[in-house]
Amino acid sequence: DAKTTQPTSMDCAEGRAANLPCNHSTISGNEYVYWYRQIHSQGPQYIIHGLKNNETNEMASLIITEDRKSSTLILPHATLRDTAVYYCIVRVPAAGTASKLTFGTGTRLQVTL
Amino acid sequence: DAGVTQSPTHLIKTRGQHVTLRCSPISGHKSVSWYQQVLGQGPQFIFQYYEKEERGRGNFPDRFSARQFPNYSSELNVNALLLGDSALYLCASSWTSGWGSYNEQFFGPGTRLTVL
Repeated sequence: DAKTTQPTSMDCAEGRAANLPCNHSTISGNEYVYWYRQIHSQGPQYIIHGLKNNETNEMASLIITEDRKSSTLILPHATLRDTAVYYCIVRVPAAGTASKLTFGTGTRLQVTL
Repeated sequence: DAGVTQSPTHLIKTRGQHVTLRCSPISGHKSVSWYQQVLGQGPQFIFQYYEKEERGRGNFPDRFSARQFPNYSSELNVNALLLGDSALYLCASSWTSGWGSYNEQFFGPGTRLTVL
């Protein structure tokens, strides 16, 4: 699985968009980009994933660069409840194999008033 | 629908003891994975089980073992506890053991194990 690099921490004012970058310069053509988050003292929560097209769901948007070497998770209107550690993970979808998630240290997002 | 449940919530053990952690997956999910999360780090994969068979194992010593029951619940066992085993143990469930865009893993709240 390709390695990812994320900033250690970021701050965002409540109501503003939070843009969380992830570098995955060694990503291969069939690897997806997944985002999970972990709110303090809880288990990780799936947010969104994508291959090469931008994706949007009710939680967030995922922007993947054309060369796929980096991506940005966007929380359009951050709230205090979005304060969490955000993990960017790249993985090949391969049915029949152990679908383990390889977590890095993630980005600690602090949303403030 | 209930999410992934884990028991106990917290546990305190002493070095050398044995511990059993339990996990019940989301109804209909047949795969369970276990992760260890040491303070300040991301979760690390320990095991995955599907239909009672081990489908994957992370880089953990043989003191760690697990099993899955016919109702798809699972147990993680750790023998001869060390101080370094103190961590949050997370269980995740999914439909199958494969990895697909439909097969996200759903995590439980975890069991906080403290080894003294």
